Amino acid sequence: GAVVSQHPSWVICKSGTSVKIECRSLDFQATTMFWYRQFPKQSLMLMATSNEGSKATYEQGVEKDKFLINHASLTLSTLTVTSAHPEDSSFYICSARVRQPVAGGLYNEQFFGPGTRLTVL
Amino acid sequence: LAKTTQPISMDSYEGQEVNITCSHNNIATNDYITWYQQFPSQGPRFIIQGYKTKVTNEVASLFIPADRKSSTLSLPRVSLSDTAVYYCLVGPKAAGNKLTFGGGTRVLVKP
Repeated sequence: GAVVSQHPSWVICKSGTSVKIECRSLDFQATTMFWYRQFPKQSLMLMATSNEGSKATYEQGVEKDKFLINHASLTLSTLTVTSAHPEDSSFYICSARVRQPVAGGLYNEQFFGPGTRLTVL
Repeated sequence: LAKTTQPISMDSYEGQEVNITCSHNNIATNDYITWYQQFPSQGPRFIIQGYKTKVTNEVASLFIPADRKSSTLSLPRVSLSDTAVYYCLVGPKAAGNKLTFGGGTRVLVKP
């Protein structure tokens, strides 16, 4: 199946600093990537939809100036948490939607990355 | 997007069959039903997808009644490693579709 990677897998930073998380589709091209946030014992919450070469579409309540998303290529999207604060500590997960059918797969299936654990001190 | 309702948690024992039912009363004609599995500190993993009747793969079976207002994910002979959260999602299988995750069902498999 299609593989999505995230880097880093975990990060600890000081309050006020910015953190960049990368999401890569390793063996397929993804015109669309999605960013989710998940707090402990809660479900995934969609933050934004990232389309290659265009601005991201943010969900209601998500600050676009705080969570900067760049989708510069068909295999890479980045999420930058700017001026991070302890309340931004969470598990950030990306997914990539396959652009074309993969062997045994579905045309519009989403493949999820392993997630990035962000802890802001 | 159709809203889904699942039990919050279920306990089972190794070797048993686990059935998780999801309600989606306002499912639309072009909606598909998809189930994902998520282990702690990992991203969700696709399990199975269906539109109607029954779908089976090497991991699970998905039963969908004729009215499609509910669906049941069946995990045969679970093992300890099947302990996870299982999410039922309903939505169109179309370009641009985004997934909306509900609360999920936390399945605990005991020895």
